[in-house]
Amino acid sequence: SSELTQDPAVSVALGQTVRITCQGDSLRSYYASWYQQKPGQAPVLVIYGKNNRPSGIPDRFSGSSSGNTASLTITGAQAEDEADYYCNSRDSSGNHPGVYVFGTGTKVTVL
Amino acid sequence: QVQLVESGGGVVQPGRSLRLSCAASGFTFSSYGMHWVRQAPGKGLEWVAVIWYDGSNKYYADSVKGRFTISRDNSKNTLYLQMNSLRAEDTAVYYCASSPNPAAADDAFDIWGQGTMVTVSS
Repeated sequence: SSELTQDPAVSVALGQTVRITCQGDSLRSYYASWYQQKPGQAPVLVIYGKNNRPSGIPDRFSGSSSGNTASLTITGAQAEDEADYYCNSRDSSGNHPGVYVFGTGTKVTVL
Repeated sequence: QVQLVESGGGVVQPGRSLRLSCAASGFTFSSYGMHWVRQAPGKGLEWVAVIWYDGSNKYYADSVKGRFTISRDNSKNTLYLQMNSLRAEDTAVYYCASSPNPAAADDAFDIWGQGTMVTVSS
């Protein structure tokens, strides 16, 4: 099955910009979606498709993609953005395109 | 309001079975693909299984294939996960989540439940 690789941790100063990346072969065929998870809580969808935000997600969250890499950018990070972030996409390997895979996760610390 | 509520978690011995349920409300359940996602203590998210809106297609992670079965009852707005031959490594919080179109390249998990804990231990 495919793998999606993320940096384990990144830090950002309050109000600055941080980019989180997700690498994997499946991203050449499928869009990534991005999830924010705070301690003890269920994940929340923040970005999906080309660069779509669900209702209620601040516009400081944006997504992009190039080749085998997808990125989530937080422009003007706030204290409440401190969380774990996971990417996800369909799995392009094998004969079962219906399978999904999550990235390894990135812990974002807001300083 | 839009809601998914999981139930059925608990402590179970290795090799035994358990069935999880996920009750949906506030949206047209029969129009959505439904997934199970799990998270072992202190670890990342792991996708487990998906069932299409009408039950016509089901796919599983290699780690659970042949042991877990996903199903749904659209008349009851409920998703299930039958877990057999449980192992210690199946210990995790199990979340159900919906996705608008599992056939689409931009599909995503837009609604999540709060999770139910499964502990496999003797």
